[in-house]
Amino acid sequence: AQSVTQPDIHITVSEGASLELRCNYSYGATPYLFWYVQSPGQGLQLLLKYFSGDTLVQGIKGFEAEFKRSQSSFNLRKPSVHWSDAAEYFCAVGASDSGGSNYKLTFGKGTLLTVNP
Amino acid sequence: DSGVTQTPKHLITATGQRVTLRCSPRSGDLSVYWYQQSLDQGLQFLIQYYNGEERAKGNILERFSAQQFPDLHSELNLSSLELGDSALYFCASSGDRANQPQHFGDGTRLSIL
Repeated sequence: AQSVTQPDIHITVSEGASLELRCNYSYGATPYLFWYVQSPGQGLQLLLKYFSGDTLVQGIKGFEAEFKRSQSSFNLRKPSVHWSDAAEYFCAVGASDSGGSNYKLTFGKGTLLTVNP
Repeated sequence: DSGVTQTPKHLITATGQRVTLRCSPRSGDLSVYWYQQSLDQGLQFLIQYYNGEERAKGNILERFSAQQFPDLHSELNLSSLELGDSALYFCASSGDRANQPQHFGDGTRLSIL
């Protein structure tokens, strides 16, 4: 069964500083990987996705993530954090029992990001 | 706006009751997924429907059931509610082609008193 670990429960950074949120996954095949963001009282917004191909993927709001198969990681990065980035971030791996285009997501526990002015 | 619509946004009820949560997927999406987000369990996959048929099942209790109708909207039915069922329930939808991400609605917050 697949699993996702986000080692950091809570991270605090200063506005303008760089950010890296860690994500490690466990899955037997090539994974589908995602980062979602959840603001308080809101739903999950897709930041970026990896299905195949280029291991460095660009997302919305200036975020990027790099898939490293050898480390089973898919860390999220942003060069300069804005106060509006404060939210909870979830890494997820997609797995399909049938091998088709539909898949279920297994989420990590999330990392809460606080941004200091 | 993800294009996925969930109603109601909030639901307050008592133990032992039954509720129905509704989800309208994005236009053209055939797959609907239900997830539960709780403080102790985090985000968990419950069930998936594809074009009216159940496709995959996760950690869904026997007291819970779902269906997808011909117009592709889906309903999640929760019965014999317990305090522990209090959670945020999300619906997501995705397209049929390969490499389609899941897009989530804003969720229904269920509070059991």
